[in-house]
Amino acid sequence: GAGVSQSPRYKVAKRGQDVALRCDPISGHVSLFWYQQALGQGPEFLTYFQNEAQLDKSGLPSDRFFAERPEGSVSTLKIQRTQQEDSAVYLCASSPQLLSILTTYGYTFGSGTRLTVV
Amino acid sequence: TQLLEQSPQFLSIQEGENLTVYCNSSSVFSSLQWYRQEPGEGPVLLVTVVTGGEVKKLKRLTFQFGDARKDSSLHITAAQPGDTGLYLCAGGSIADSWGKFQFGAGTQVVVTP
Repeated sequence: GAGVSQSPRYKVAKRGQDVALRCDPISGHVSLFWYQQALGQGPEFLTYFQNEAQLDKSGLPSDRFFAERPEGSVSTLKIQRTQQEDSAVYLCASSPQLLSILTTYGYTFGSGTRLTVV
Repeated sequence: TQLLEQSPQFLSIQEGENLTVYCNSSSVFSSLQWYRQEPGEGPVLLVTVVTGGEVKKLKRLTFQFGDARKDSSLHITAAQPGDTGLYLCAGGSIADSWGKFQFGAGTQVVVTP
């Protein structure tokens, strides 16, 4: 597709419910990132994939959070037993190749999924 | 935890005025990026700076990377309502060479006609 697509755009979950958030990156993009953005804050890194390999999951807040990208394209972020503190916008971003810090490439972000846990 | 401090947190100005927002850190970054985010959307990359002292201009926007690569500023000349948005800086460390950027909390800019 032309951009990074995330679904659903909005999700309301009852506390304790499991949720799955989907990200369709730009076709052919090797790198995929998940970020969490709380209200009034900047995005916080959750996890990074290079193709299907999850190279860094150091930002996942607890073992209730799980991400996968089995075929190196679509990715799913799953949150089990949701808690109120999980309420945030979850952003997915992709990049066409393995990034180097010195590159002028940035991320292309999706519009995010706003998760509200009630 | 935000390693990058952005100031001010909020800025409201009239159309045609100039503004500057700042991004500061105690850490040295290999590169720094500026993004603008509008409500309900993801951040959109504006610029990347990689060299200490570097200045980049993008139409009415001027970006500067500090000599020590610990700070950056974004200056907008003759602001327009379309410049309204959340401005985020993001720093990249050589230790995360595959591209993990740390974001600041952002400066919310509102430009009124």
